[in-house]
Amino acid sequence: DAGVTQSPTHLIKTRGQHVTLRCSPISGHKSVSWYQQVLGQGPQFIFQYYEKEERGRGNFPDRFSARQFPNYSSELNVNALLLGDSALYLCASSLRQGEFRLKDEQFFGPGTRLTVL
Amino acid sequence: SQQGEEDPQALSIQEGENATMNCSYKTSINNLQWYRQNSGRGLVHLILIRSNEREKHSGRLRVTLDTSKKSSSLLITASRAADTASYFCATGEWAGSARQLTFGSGTQLTVLP
Repeated sequence: DAGVTQSPTHLIKTRGQHVTLRCSPISGHKSVSWYQQVLGQGPQFIFQYYEKEERGRGNFPDRFSARQFPNYSSELNVNALLLGDSALYLCASSLRQGEFRLKDEQFFGPGTRLTVL
Repeated sequence: SQQGEEDPQALSIQEGENATMNCSYKTSINNLQWYRQNSGRGLVHLILIRSNEREKHSGRLRVTLDTSKKSSSLLITASRAADTASYFCATGEWAGSARQLTFGSGTQLTVLP
């Protein structure tokens, strides 16, 4: 079975541009989360989507937006790129939206490396 | 902000030795998870320990949890060069009606052949 897939793997943009990153969750997973990982730090939560609705948002500006499609794939959009947006963007899928379960694991994709020049 | 903080930030050992990484967190948790990341790629889930558990094993991995001290440790026994990676602890927290993972800054483990 395919794991979480993300595209593209690498991307180079310039300041002020817009970028769209894509994620396909594991088959059967309805929840997708996005994380930003700046070099040398742990991932930081951006969004979680479940059943095509945003269920939670981290401390990120409105330049960051996302959506989830009927097939549960997701796009992350970032407008007006800044140098500080350079990071590895990780997508994770899980079976349930946010219902507390003892097995609360998320499955991560390989990430998209975004470089803003 | 980071919920978990790993210690040490970097660890270098010889193949065959044991590696111990520690994680501290700030708030009450339901569970704590450990992830591994190779060379800036995606994270791989290693093990989850519940708040009512004190120790858990998975292959060469042993995780302990001390909720009174808000700390956890990950022990990798008989390390191999292939264990070289960054290791993160993560706790689950509510963000709205979402379940987010809050990660520490990680421990970079280097296993020398």
